[in-house]
Amino acid sequence: LAKTTQPISMDSYEGQEVNITCSHNNIATNDYITWYQQFPSQGPRFIIQGYKTKVTNEVASLFIPADRKSSTLSLPRVSLSDTAVYYCLVGDRRNKAAGNKLTFGGGTRVLVKP
Amino acid sequence: GAGVSQSPRYKVAKRGQDVALRCDPISGHVSLFWYQQALGQGPEFLTYFQNEAQLDKSGLPSDRFFAERPEGSVSTLKIQRTQQEDSAVYLCASSLDRSPPGARGNTIYFGEGSWLTVV
Repeated sequence: LAKTTQPISMDSYEGQEVNITCSHNNIATNDYITWYQQFPSQGPRFIIQGYKTKVTNEVASLFIPADRKSSTLSLPRVSLSDTAVYYCLVGDRRNKAAGNKLTFGGGTRVLVKP
Repeated sequence: GAGVSQSPRYKVAKRGQDVALRCDPISGHVSLFWYQQALGQGPEFLTYFQNEAQLDKSGLPSDRFFAERPEGSVSTLKIQRTQQEDSAVYLCASSLDRSPPGARGNTIYFGEGSWLTVV
């Protein structure tokens, strides 16, 4: 399985940029990298997905180096409402039986302080 | 509604009681997933449906857990003879097509979850 490793927690302040790096050494050729955000008492919410290089949307940017063994989620100018758990996921298509499940790790708890 | 809807939002069950958790996926979504999330941990896969077919139930922790989606839309997760270790948030998610969740463009959408506490 394409396992991911990310920091357990990060603290930041309002207005700063937050960068969360995720390692996925066993990523398969056809796998995409997806990030989810989860607020307390809510289900995870899709933020961004990418395959290589850089992807940007209205919420975040995702940087993926050429070897694709890691990725970095960048949240520009965070606010208090960005306090959440952020999960990095990699789809696993090498194992057909596992291909229909997303494997969440423990995620990164980001705390944005005033 | 526009999103995945789950009910009840909160459920307190006495140990040994049976519970049923309902999920209304986004209309037209083919794939439906159930996940279990313990406090402070990431969601763990339970089972997957493609329309009415349950294609993967490898994550169900015991035979006390049963899920169905008889008409390919609404799904019910049933837990029989609940135990304290079943206390968790049960998340339902759906996606539009059949391709794996990690595939390009196949976003899955989660509901807010059903919070089960077994006392």
